[in-house]
Amino acid sequence: AQSVTQLDSQVPVFEEAPVELRCNYSSSVSVYLFWYVQYPNQGLQLLLKYLSGSTLVKGINGFEAEFNKSQTSFHLRKPSVHISDTAEYFCAVAFNFGNEKLTFGTGTRLTIIP
Amino acid sequence: EAGVAQSPRYKIIEKRQSVAFWCNPISGHATLYWYQQILGQGPKLLIQFQNNGVVDDSQLPKDRFSAERLKGVDSTLKIQPAKLEDSAVYLCASSLVLGQPQHFGDGTRLSIL
Repeated sequence: AQSVTQLDSQVPVFEEAPVELRCNYSSSVSVYLFWYVQYPNQGLQLLLKYLSGSTLVKGINGFEAEFNKSQTSFHLRKPSVHISDTAEYFCAVAFNFGNEKLTFGTGTRLTIIP
Repeated sequence: EAGVAQSPRYKIIEKRQSVAFWCNPISGHATLYWYQQILGQGPKLLIQFQNNGVVDDSQLPKDRFSAERLKGVDSTLKIQPAKLEDSAVYLCASSLVLGQPQHFGDGTRLSIL
């Protein structure tokens, strides 16, 4: 069965500390991988994507993620967080290249502690 | 570039009433998606259009939900009659072509009393 798992529902981090948000997926086919951020009362904004090529992907706002095919993971990292990074982060996977249907994880709420 | 526009932003109705949401995608985007996001969960795809044709509606509760995309541009999603479990944020997204990232609107928050 194809699924997406975000292991942490909430992650508190001190300001200027590094953070890693974890995402694992289960699939028997090749995938496209995405991270989206959602600020309160707003829609989702694309942070970064992996379609092919280099497994280390850089996105907006200083975030990056690494695709690990053997571990079926796509963890999101930032070396130093800021108060403005407080938001909900969603990992999403496209399992079927034919229709680009996205399956989202349940989200990780990142809280930055001053 | 104007983003994905959705209206209304908020809607409160009683159960068994009807409601409709509107979405105008980014100009030129052929693919349009409707998602349901229940509190504390990730978005779940309800229906996907390619131009004015349906690509995937496998998770749309067709006994009460309907959607259309006339002329391949804007779209409406309707619920009739609404149930308490339909309380959620309804997100519209669009993409230029298949394989390109999806751009999301700010959503419509629906509360059922």
